[in-house]
This record gives sequence, structure tokens and C-alpha cells, in this order.
Amino acid sequence: QAVVTQEPSLTVSPGGTVTLTCGSSTGTVTSGHYPSWFQQKPGQAPTTLIYEISKKYSWTPARFSGSLLGGKAALTLSGAQPEDEADYYCLVSDDYGRVFGGGTKLTVL
Amino acid sequence: QLVESGGGLVKPGGSLRLSCGASGFNFNNVWMTWVRQAPGKGLEWVGRIRSKADGGTTDYAAPVKGRFSISRDDSKNTLYLQMNSLKIEDTALYYCTAGIVWGHGTTVTVSS
Repeated sequence: QAVVTQEPSLTVSPGGTVTLTCGSSTGTVTSGHYPSWFQQKPGQAPTTLIYEISKKYSWTPARFSGSLLGGKAALTLSGAQPEDEADYYCLVSDDYGRVFGGGTKLTVL
Repeated sequence: QLVESGGGLVKPGGSLRLSCGASGFNFNNVWMTWVRQAPGKGLEWVGRIRSKADGGTTDYAAPVKGRFSISRDDSKNTLYLQMNSLKIEDTALYYCTAGIVWGHGTTVTVSS
């Protein structure tokens, strides 16, 4: 199965912008990998923020956006809020099913 | 919403069946997935089952393939995860998800 890599940790200032990335050992991440992004706060179940690269659900704050960037999937947070401090996971398809990245711990400080 | 049940303490080599009850959406049409999270670790994709309309087939992650089996009963709006030959490393919080919604998980502990 593919190995999916994310930044282990990132820090953003309140009101600032940060981009989290998601790469695959199999090569360039494309629309065919159907990348999704999830947010998980301590002690809580994950919630789905983004699916199919950039599609949002009704509860996804507008400050989050998804894209493909430099061969990877990317999650950009513009105007970070204290409540955005959480772990973020990407999920992509491979030949056998789906694979999560190791997660990025985002600190808003 | 999704509600998992069936977790517990089991010895290595043992079996357990998890259930996931769904409500509030058209379960029949949705691909369902199991995800687990070992204590202090990240999310791990376990496997999925397609809707009957899409063939009802299953895919599994390498660590569980041949030991775990996913099934669904659309008449009961319920998803299952049959876990056999359990190993200590299967200890985790197990979530079911329909993509748009997640359950709160059920804990599986494999220990002698």
C-alpha cells in the first residue's frame, strides 16, 4: 500500500494562513486519488472537512480550502482561529483501497 | 448518525464482531468504511464495503486482510466488522463512517 506523508506539525498565528500538504509514495496526487481532509480535536471523533480535492460540506468553515499543489493534495487555512487547533489527516486512494496520512498537528499560537 | 457497538476486551487469537447502526440518511446507497485509531496514534483505514447498487464488494487494508470481514444488512441499516485472529496491535478505537458522518467509536482491546 502507498505511504502518505504529511507535515508532523505546523504552527500558525491567529489570523494567519497555513497550508498543509499530503503526498503519496506512488507519485503525484491527482483527482483520481480522491483526496479528503479530516479534522480531529482531542477526545473527539474526526469530522470531514473536504472531499474530492476541494468539495466542502455545509459545516466546513469558508476559511478552509482544498487543492492540488506541486504534486500533492493541499489544505489551506486562511484566517486561522484558535478553534482550528487540531490534528488534520488526509486520505487518498491507492490500488488497494484508501490510505491515511500520518496527520499534522496544527497549533494556533 | 452512526452508533458503533460490540467493542471489548479479547485475548490474542480471539474474535469480535462490531456493529454500526445508521439513521438519518439513506444507508442503502452509501459506501461504508471502518477506520481505527490506536491509543495516541493516527487514523488508520481498515476497509470499506460498497453499496449493493455498486456491487457490495469490499476492500481491506493489508494489516487486516484475511482476518477481518466487512458486511452490511441494509434491511437493518447496520454495518458489521467481523474480526478474527486478533492481535495485540489491533487494539484501537474503531470508527464507522459514511464519509459525511462519523460515529463516536467503540474500543477494542486485545490483551492476554
